[in-house]
Amino acid sequence: TQLLEQSPQFLSIQEGENLTVYCNSSSVFSSLQWYRQEPGEGPVLLVTVVTGGEVKKLKRLTFQFGDARKDSSLHITAAQPGDTGLYLCAGAEDSNYQLIWGAGTKLIIKP
Amino acid sequence: EPEVTQTPSHQVTQMGQEVILRCVPISNHLYFYWYRQILGQKVEFLVSFYNNEISEKSEIFDDQFSVERPDGSNFTLKIRSTKLEDSAMYFCASNIVSSGELFFGEGSRLTVL
Repeated sequence: TQLLEQSPQFLSIQEGENLTVYCNSSSVFSSLQWYRQEPGEGPVLLVTVVTGGEVKKLKRLTFQFGDARKDSSLHITAAQPGDTGLYLCAGAEDSNYQLIWGAGTKLIIKP
Repeated sequence: EPEVTQTPSHQVTQMGQEVILRCVPISNHLYFYWYRQILGQKVEFLVSFYNNEISEKSEIFDDQFSVERPDGSNFTLKIRSTKLEDSAMYFCASNIVSSGELFFGEGSRLTVL
């Protein structure tokens, strides 16, 4: 069974600090997506990474796809209270209709 | 901007009752999904639907669950006889290609008493 392990499960930090969230698997994905979910809403796509070693930046968020396409990380610089939410990674396989989801990292940024 | 819409936003039902959750996916999307999320837990895949048939389903999607696309725009999830453990947020999603960005609705919260 494909598994995506996300860590940490929960993170509470002060505004202005940096943080990194990890998404790891023993299997290879053709692409990996990062979503953010706010309470009472559906997940919203932040970015898709496709190429091994790829780095994508979205303002203060930096996403990296591992060279072997088995892992990914999300780094947030100078976190803001507006970054609070549940961050989910989801991996896509060529042979499978369904995305494989991580359990999520619940992030709280305290002012 | 096109969006996935879901109704109802919240439904409360008695155990054993049938429930139908409705979704209108984005009009040019071809793949449709139902996910559920029990409060505080991970997003769980239930079923995917393509070309008017189920393409994949998870172990959660047992005989009590069914999906339909009755009229070319709506995509429904029916739970025949609800159980307490069916209480969750149910998300509908759609995309153009199966491995592409998923667009989620705002969810239907189901509470089974």
